[in-house]
Amino acid sequence: IAGITQAPTSQILAAGRRMTLRCTQDMRHNAMYWYRQDLGLGLRLIHYSNTAGTTGKGEVPDGYSVSRANTDDFPLTLASAVPSQTSVYFCASSDPEGGQGAFKSSYEQYFGPGTRLTVT
Amino acid sequence: AQTVTQSQPEMSVQEAETVTLSCTYDTSESDYYLFWYKQPPSRQMILVIRQEAYKQQNATENRFSVNFQKAAKSFSLKISDSQLGDAAMYFCAYFRMNRDDKIIFGKGTRLHILP
Repeated sequence: IAGITQAPTSQILAAGRRMTLRCTQDMRHNAMYWYRQDLGLGLRLIHYSNTAGTTGKGEVPDGYSVSRANTDDFPLTLASAVPSQTSVYFCASSDPEGGQGAFKSSYEQYFGPGTRLTVT
Repeated sequence: AQTVTQSQPEMSVQEAETVTLSCTYDTSESDYYLFWYKQPPSRQMILVIRQEAYKQQNATENRFSVNFQKAAKSFSLKISDSQLGDAAMYFCAYFRMNRDDKIIFGKGTRLHILP
């Protein structure tokens, strides 16, 4: 793979169910992010991780949890999904000082293709 | 706290014409970065152009250029010779390198290209 991948591409989930959205990057970026995108609200940061082993809360963290066991993976978990969590979810990564080759970033974030989640 | 404002939720432009998307931001910092991202119907977020605040020269990438007015805290995107493929949502974003280095996005401007 090259860049960031997300899985699944889309998902319909019953309310109350647990769901993990997967995100993997192969650019060796230290920082990773999860956003949700809703019409009229733009991109809102859910959680972030500046480096493996650390995580932080963004603008809208309630109902979501993350972990960062290694550099490449940054899964987002909805412990008990609710309809208000219906959204498109984007994972992103960046690394001002690191990265590899063509993916050495200058502070910009690289985004995955997104996951469309519908909670019914 | 830093904020990014895009005052135009939607805009339309005739194909081959020029259009300017507005963005203003609020910060007390002097050293930061600004970006424009494009999100076409495929929903993939694509970096269009970046500007370092310490550079006075406006960034340019082919048909895309910015008008960076640091004192006014304004960062507009100009698209010249608009093409149908430019139709997308455009997001302005601000970044300041610190311990919590996170990009702040505006709410976006949807650009329609009229054939």
